[in-house]
Formats: sequence, C-alpha cells, structure tokens
Amino acid sequence: DQQVKQNSPSLSVQEGRISILNCDYTNSMFDYFLWYKKYPAEGPTFLISISSIKDKNEDGRFTVFLNKSAKHLSLHIVPSQPGDSAVYFCAASGSSGNTGKLIFGQGTTLQVKP
Amino acid sequence: DGGITQSPKYLFRKEGQNVTLSCEQNLNHDAMYWYRQDPGQGLRLIYYSQIVNDFQKGDIAEGYSVSREKKESFPLTVTSAQKNPTAFYLCASKTGPWDTEAFFGQGTRLTVV
Repeated sequence: DQQVKQNSPSLSVQEGRISILNCDYTNSMFDYFLWYKKYPAEGPTFLISISSIKDKNEDGRFTVFLNKSAKHLSLHIVPSQPGDSAVYFCAASGSSGNTGKLIFGQGTTLQVKP
Repeated sequence: DGGITQSPKYLFRKEGQNVTLSCEQNLNHDAMYWYRQDPGQGLRLIYYSQIVNDFQKGDIAEGYSVSREKKESFPLTVTSAQKNPTAFYLCASKTGPWDTEAFFGQGTRLTVV
C-alpha cells in the first residue's frame, strides 16, 4: 500500500524554465510534507517543507503547493539550473501517532539541460 | 561539526553471512531511523528508535536487526535471513519523533557477492 506516490519517474526541463514535480498521498492524517533532494551515492538533503494547515510555502527558487482536498502537493523550481539535476523525494509524516516516521514516495529524477 | 556518519560507504558480503552497518550521530538526537533504497521504490523504513534502549520494526524489518544501547549509535545488522540484501542503506536522525525534518547520513552501499 503506497501511501505517498510520485507517478513521474523522470522529468527533463531546459535551464531557466520551470520544473514541476508532483506527489500524491492517500492518508488524510498526514500533517506535514517534505521534499528531499538526493544525488547518487549520497544521503538525501532537506529542501523545503509545508504544514497541512498551509497551502503554499516558498524558499528562494523553491515553492511547495499543497492541495488537501485533492491530496496532492507539488514542488516548483524557478528558474531551473543544471545543479538542480538530482532525484527528488516527497515525504509525509504524522499518520502514525508520534512515531515520527517519514513515508517516502518513489522519487522523481530531474534533469535540467543547459 | 555535527552530523550523522555511516560507515563503511561500500560493503561486500558473501551469501549466508551477517553484516553490521554503522550509524553514529553527534546531534544529540533522540530518534533514529534506518531506510533502504532500491531503484524505483523510494526509501522504505526498516527499523526506528525513538529513544535509547527502545526500537520498533518498520515496514520491511524481516531479515534485519538493530540495537540502541547508546543515544548516538544505531547499528543495523543485515542477517542471512534477508533474501535480497543488495541495496543502498540510509540512516537518519531527528531531534525527536515530534520533529519534522530528518537528517540523513551519506549511506552505505551493500552488495552481496
């Protein structure tokens, strides 16, 4: 039972354009969502997060949008840069009491072409 | 520098052998987690510990064991019972279960030969 899904395995965009990465979830008890960025053979690094009480959070070039009614969130990167090329994981927490577990999606590989 | 350290970075194991992956953090975090990454499957939770001397099974605990004797250490043993152990293993820690952001180590690539 995949509670967090990233249905696009890969995305390719041109440098300077917008990258939009999508994530869907099934558990309405999730109360916090995070995006992580991962390079090959390295651990994920935290990128941006959003609480379920908000619908938007912005940090520089990165903006996360949350649509609770659709159980959908998206990460926008504007403008995209070649250094943004990595695997992006969506994660959710809050469904299992106070265990603090993060439930991850499958990841989307972003390639930004110069 | 504070952080979370996994060792070794690469590990080779013969079939039928147990092997232990190290995870150490000096962030004074109470909660620690072990994840496994396989291609196309994202990160799946193996075990987690919210406090010293306590740990719980995650979604794919079969064939794995852990201990949490010290706050800063959460080693993972991959036993011979794990049917498909070749994967990238990631350790993470948080201030506590209530915290939102998890910090990850650099990972250990385990290959069964």
